[in-house]
Amino acid sequence: AQSVTQLDSQVPVFEEAPVELRCNYSSSVSVYLFWYVQYPNQGLQLLLKYLSGSTLVKGINGFEAEFNKSQTSFHLRKPSVHISDTAEYFCAVRSQGAQKLVFGQGTRLTINP
Amino acid sequence: GAGVSQSPSNKVTEKGKDVELRCDPISGHTALYWYRQSLGQGLEFLIYFQGNSAPDKSGLPSDRFSAERTGGSVSTLTIQRTQQEDSAVYLCASTVTGGFTGELFFGEGSRLTVL
Repeated sequence: AQSVTQLDSQVPVFEEAPVELRCNYSSSVSVYLFWYVQYPNQGLQLLLKYLSGSTLVKGINGFEAEFNKSQTSFHLRKPSVHISDTAEYFCAVRSQGAQKLVFGQGTRLTINP
Repeated sequence: GAGVSQSPSNKVTEKGKDVELRCDPISGHTALYWYRQSLGQGLEFLIYFQGNSAPDKSGLPSDRFSAERTGGSVSTLTIQRTQQEDSAVYLCASTVTGGFTGELFFGEGSRLTVL
């Protein structure tokens, strides 16, 4: 069975600082990986996804993530955050052949001025 | 509609009562999912519908929970004899299949509070 672990439940950073949100997964087969974002009082929306090909994927709002198969990781990064990036971020995995998307527990990103 | 619609947006009920939560997916989306979002627990998969296939009910936490999808469109999640631990935000999502890439389109959720 697939599973996802987000190592940090909360990450506080200062505005314009870089940030990395960590995600590790486990699966016995090939996977598709996703990051979703939930802004305050809004629904979840897709930030970026890895399906195949280049291991570095770019998403909306300047975010990017790198798929590392040997480390079974898919960490999310942004070189310089803004107040508007304050949100909860969810990593998710779907194993090849499966229809279920399994989510991590979420990381709450707080940006301090 | 343009997006996934869920109702009610907020529901307060008393312990032991039954509740129904409704989801209207994006038109043409054949797959529909229910997740539960509890504080500090992330998103917990509940059930998945795909066309006319038997639903994947593997995530339903107890037999008090059930869901149906009528006519391949609207879905209703029913919780019988609600308990306080059922308090959470219930999220519905839909997507296309065939070339499925995993992007789910979520509604804004139904917040359930059991007193």
